[in-house]
Amino acid sequence: DAGVIQSPRHEVTEMGQEVTLRCKPISGHNSLFWYRQTMMRGLELLIYFNNNVPIDDSGMPEDRFSAKMPNASFSTLKIQPSEPRDSAVYFCASSLMGGVGIQYFGAGTRLSVL
Amino acid sequence: AQTVTQSQPEMSVQEAETVTLSCTYDTSESDYYLFWYKQPPSRQMILVIRQEAYKQQNATENRFSVNFQKAAKSFSLKISDSQLGDAAMYFCAYRAPNTGNQFYFGTGTSLTVIP
Repeated sequence: DAGVIQSPRHEVTEMGQEVTLRCKPISGHNSLFWYRQTMMRGLELLIYFNNNVPIDDSGMPEDRFSAKMPNASFSTLKIQPSEPRDSAVYFCASSLMGGVGIQYFGAGTRLSVL
Repeated sequence: AQTVTQSQPEMSVQEAETVTLSCTYDTSESDYYLFWYKQPPSRQMILVIRQEAYKQQNATENRFSVNFQKAAKSFSLKISDSQLGDAAMYFCAYRAPNTGNQFYFGTGTSLTVIP
């Protein structure tokens, strides 16, 4: 298996622009997680889905952030409009519900908002 | 709410020596899972080792082992025969089955390996 695939690996954009981050989970996994990592705040859970349904989005910073999972093999995290404070590394992870529930992470997207 | 605490922001170890990273957690659950993840400079998060709370035996994966003290809510990671490739940020994580699949991560310990 190719693992969790995130795109792009790096994104540089200007303040006010829309940014879309993409994630393809491991085939067969039914939980998907979006995290944000910064030096100041560490690793934060933004939102997670079970069976494509958002379960907990309490970590989404504000209305500028939205996430979707239209099917079991694809998810997006959108920031509109982007701000410099959104600069961070964004990770996607997937797992199987039940059991140990190990999360497998993608390589992350480094976002820089100028 | 579940919390995971890593009290050592930075640690260093001489190559070939042993180092122990600390992790404590707070929970009222009796059944849960604990994990250590490694994040090298490449930033990829890699699972190092896991422990099921119902197992009394400490988990071991090659040079990595844990000291799981359930009553003390402590879950430390021991790295034996440290290698340069062990240099990374290490995160402790907790998951309880009846709180969904959500993980609770500590703030991480940055490990430096000195040649």
